[in-house]
Amino acid sequence: QKEVEQDPGPLSVPEGAIVSLNCTYSNSAFQYFMWYRQYSRKGPELLMYTYSSGNKEDGRFTAQVDKSSKYISLFIRDSQPSDSATYLCAMSRGGNEKLTFGTGTRLTIIP
Amino acid sequence: GAVVSQHPSWVICKSGTSVKIECRSLDFQATTMFWYRQFPKQSLMLMATSNEGSKATYEQGVEKDKFLINHASLTLSTLTVTSAHPEDSSFYICSARDGQTTTNEKLFFGSGTQLSVL
Repeated sequence: QKEVEQDPGPLSVPEGAIVSLNCTYSNSAFQYFMWYRQYSRKGPELLMYTYSSGNKEDGRFTAQVDKSSKYISLFIRDSQPSDSATYLCAMSRGGNEKLTFGTGTRLTIIP
Repeated sequence: GAVVSQHPSWVICKSGTSVKIECRSLDFQATTMFWYRQFPKQSLMLMATSNEGSKATYEQGVEKDKFLINHASLTLSTLTVTSAHPEDSSFYICSARDGQTTTNEKLFFGSGTQLSVL
């Protein structure tokens, strides 16, 4: 079993829709949870960063962490074609611990 | 935000040759840099962690003699793929941690290098 599971998609939604992206994990020691956006043939860009359980909102993006269920989500409201990318979840135990990434979900927003 | 510059963005080489990839932090000092490898439709796999002025720490299964990492300054790390073979063809990405932070939660990534070995 992988430490982090993420549905690879692809996921296609119409412009303006709400997008829900999810990851599950098995290591209860993970404390930090991140979402990265990666455009084709580019490096990942940090979108959201959350410590422990709870919600965090930044513009059209909302990150949720449920440590009891070992489940994290990223919601994108009013999705735009420019949101079309691969979204990677990542998590770590903190400190100098390395990040563990999901496989990424490929998202396409249809105009 | 912090910028990490990675060059070249793509390289094609013949089997048996060596290729060097550079990763520079442009507006901050990076005491720690990370090198990843990414295959199509797969996640980022950490290859090694490099700290300025010391030897890199390689992940299990990564050949340190094949993937040479040098982190000689606070703004530059290099990855050299020695005697490259077609199976080394992949997308290589570096990332850097701002020297003023002590955790890895906020990393800044380079734009990646697509290596194709013929």
